[in-house]
Order: sequence, then structure tokens, then C-alpha cells
Amino acid sequence: SQQGEEDPQALSIQEGENATMNCSYKTSINNLQWYRQNSGRGLVHLILIRSNEREKHSGRLRVTLDTSKKSSSLLITASRAADTASYFCATYDMEYGNKLVFGAGTILRVKS
Amino acid sequence: NAGVTQTPKFRVLKTGQSMTLLCAQDMNHEYMYWYRQDPGMGLRLIHYSVGEGTTAKGEVPDGYNVSRLKKQNFLLGLESAAPSQTSVYFCASSLGLAVNIQYFGAGTRLSVL
Repeated sequence: SQQGEEDPQALSIQEGENATMNCSYKTSINNLQWYRQNSGRGLVHLILIRSNEREKHSGRLRVTLDTSKKSSSLLITASRAADTASYFCATYDMEYGNKLVFGAGTILRVKS
Repeated sequence: NAGVTQTPKFRVLKTGQSMTLLCAQDMNHEYMYWYRQDPGMGLRLIHYSVGEGTTAKGEVPDGYNVSRLKKQNFLLGLESAAPSQTSVYFCASSLGLAVNIQYFGAGTRLSVL
């Protein structure tokens, strides 16, 4: 019963271009997080946006949250080959317990 | 600072065999989690713990058991491995409620033949 569902499933772009990934979820949340997973490695936390925030920036990352549409987007600007990875959104709802619920992820490939 | 360490990194089992996966964290986190990751399905929570001596079931707990005898360690056991348990297993830990940013280990790749 995954809450977060990412779109697209896979994305291929050229180095220097921007990459946008979207996440939709089903119920109320306290916060939404984005994680990155390089091939064969564990997940690494990128950014967290709280339910009362609409936009957040961290370096080349920009996250938006629309709680009315139950959706979020992750924008990576000026992408680099090193950004090639899978990206997951995860929702945190305290009513659901002390757990994050992860989506299936978006595979991003940045070609140099 | 090692963070979250998982052992072993790889393992091949025969159907019916048992094994234990070990997760250790050195960040003094209260919460620890075991996930499995299968192609196209993201991460699914197996079991988790909100403190030493406590455990709870996640989304897919059947066929697994866990123990949290020490705050820094969280063990995942497979009593009788099945081919359906072939997966990559990740352990994670977090400081606690309200934010719940999780820190992940590098994973254990398990094949059950």
C-alpha cells in the first residue's frame, strides 16, 4: 500500500538540462521527503518539505508541495552525469505510525 | 563515523535454510527499520523498532523475525528461506518522530535458490 507514486518511471536527459520528477500520494502527511539511490547503494536523504511549506531549495534541488493536489515535484537544475540515480519520494504521516512510505522511484539517466 | 552498517553484503541460501542479517548504527538513533527492495516496487517495510527491546510489524512481515536487544543493533532473521525472499534488504535508522529522516545502510543482496 504505497502512498508515493513517482512519475515518470524513467527519464533520460543531456548533461546541463533540468530534470523534473513528480510524486503523488493518497492521504494526509506531516512531511514529504526525497531520497537518491545510486546503483548498488543505499538511499541517501536529499530534502524534506513540511506539509505547511510550498517550496524548498537546496543547492540545485527545488522541491514543491501541493497538499490540495496531494503532489510534489523535484527539480534538479543543470544536471550532471553524477546525478544519474534513482529518486524516491517518501511520505511521513504520524497517524500512520513512525514510518515512511516510499514510492517506486524514478530512474534518472544524465548523458554526458 | 560509520553510520549504518549491514552485514553480510551478499548471501546465497538454499530453500529452507536460515540466516540472520545484522544492522548496526553508531548515531544513537532510537528508531530502526528493515526494508526489502524488489525491482519496480520501491522499498517495503518489513519490521521496525522504536526503541531497545521493542519491535513492530511493517507492510510485509511474514517469514521474517526481528530483535532489538541493544539500541545500536537490529537483527533480521529468516527462519526458513523461500525463493520469494530473494531481494535486496536495507536497514535504516532515524532519530525519532516529527521529522523522521532515515539513514540507510548499503544493503544486503540475498538470493534464495
